[in-house]
Amino acid sequence: QSALTQPASVSGSPGQSITISCTGTTNDIEIFNLVSWYQQHPGRAPKLIIFDVTERPSGVSTRFSGSRSGNTASLTISGLQADDEADYFCSAYVGSSVIIFGGGTKLTVL
Amino acid sequence: EVQLVQSGAQLRRAGESLRISCEISGYNFATHWITWLRQVPGKGLEWMGRIDPRDSYTVYKPSFQGHITISADTSITTAYLQWSALRASDTAIYFCARWVKGPTFDYWGQGTLVTVST
Repeated sequence: QSALTQPASVSGSPGQSITISCTGTTNDIEIFNLVSWYQQHPGRAPKLIIFDVTERPSGVSTRFSGSRSGNTASLTISGLQADDEADYFCSAYVGSSVIIFGGGTKLTVL
Repeated sequence: EVQLVQSGAQLRRAGESLRISCEISGYNFATHWITWLRQVPGKGLEWMGRIDPRDSYTVYKPSFQGHITISADTSITTAYLQWSALRASDTAIYFCARWVKGPTFDYWGQGTLVTVST
C-alpha cells in the first residue's frame, strides 16, 4: 500500500482560506471512502479534526471542513488563525485493518 | 475523561530488547482497538499495527511483521509495544491511540521517544 500524496507546504494570511489535498488511488480513498485528518503542533500528539471524509469531532472548530472528489480528499481551513499553523496529515483505510498516511503538509500562517 | 498515558523516553543499543507501555483510563478498555504509530522526528506518521483487547487479536503492517509485538493486559488496562532486537532505524517517537473505525483515532497518548544507538 503506497502512502497518500500531500503537498509539502501551504501558506496563507490570517482570515484567508486554504485547502490541503490528499491524493490516493481507486483502491483506498475512492473505494473505502474512509478518510481522516489530523493536526499536529510541534512536540505534541496528533489531534483528530476530520473523520469519515467530512465529519468533525465534537469541539473542533467549524472552520475546518473536509471533502472528497474521486481519489482525492481535501481539508479546507477557513478564517485562518495563527494557531492553525501546524502539520496536517491525512489518513485512509485500505482494508484488512490496514491504514495509510500522507506525508504531511506544513501550514504556515503568514 | 479518556486518557492514554505512555511510558517515558528510552535509550537503547542496537540488538537490545525494549517494551514501552500505554496505560488507558476513562472508558471500558475492551470496547476499542488500540493502535501504535511511529513518527521519525520531523517526518510523517506511519501506522504499525493494532490489537483488540478483548481477545488480543493483532494485525501488523507487513513491514513491521516479525519485528514488533503488540500486546495488551486487560487487568491493568495497558497496551504494549515491544521489540526483541532493536535497530538504529527504530529511532522514532511512538504513539498509541484509540481506534474508532477506519483511519479514525480519537484519543492519543503523548508519545514515547525511543533512541537506538549503534
